[in-house]
Amino acid sequence: DAGVTQSPTHLIKTRGQHVTLRCSPISGHKSVSWYQQVLGQGPQFIFQYYEKEERGRGNFPDRFSARQFPNYSSELNVNALLLGDSALYLCASSPTLQGTSIQHFGDGTRLSIL
Amino acid sequence: LAKTTQPISMDSYEGQEVNITCSHNNIATNDYITWYQQFPSQGPRFIIQGYKTKVTNEVASLFIPADRKSSTLSLPRVSLSDTAVYYCLVGDIGPALIFGKGTTLSVSS
Repeated sequence: DAGVTQSPTHLIKTRGQHVTLRCSPISGHKSVSWYQQVLGQGPQFIFQYYEKEERGRGNFPDRFSARQFPNYSSELNVNALLLGDSALYLCASSPTLQGTSIQHFGDGTRLSIL
Repeated sequence: LAKTTQPISMDSYEGQEVNITCSHNNIATNDYITWYQQFPSQGPRFIIQGYKTKVTNEVASLFIPADRKSSTLSLPRVSLSDTAVYYCLVGDIGPALIFGKGTTLSVSS
């Protein structure tokens, strides 16, 4: 079975630009979450979507937005990129919203801001 | 949310058993304890989850004492490929996982 897939794997942008990252969850998983991981730190929660509705949001500015499509895939958009946005962006899917529901992560998109 | 404390780093040799302890003094009644493993440039991978006593699967064991204020991840007979960062997570907050800095395990031959 295919795991969580993310595209692109690597991306280089300059300050002020906009970026869109994409995620396809495991088949049958309705929940998608996004995380940002800077070097040396654990992943930080950005968004969680379930059944196309935002169900949670972390402490990130409004430059970050996301959406989930009818097929449960998801996009993360970041506007007005800053140098500090350089990070590994991870997508995770899970079948339900239950607290014990195991999240399955993709291998992320490495975003570099010049 | 319960805060977790775990060692920043640990060193081991191939074939040894490794025990990583996580402290979570403020764990709530409904909280589960979950461990993830992460290799460089990869996403975290679920290892094991438990609520109390002992849980064992094909890759690890999780020991949780009666007061649940700590937990210990046990990796039997580690190999070089077990070199990774290990995260202890505690909570019952749905998919919004809260990661700390984790424990970097280095396995040498």
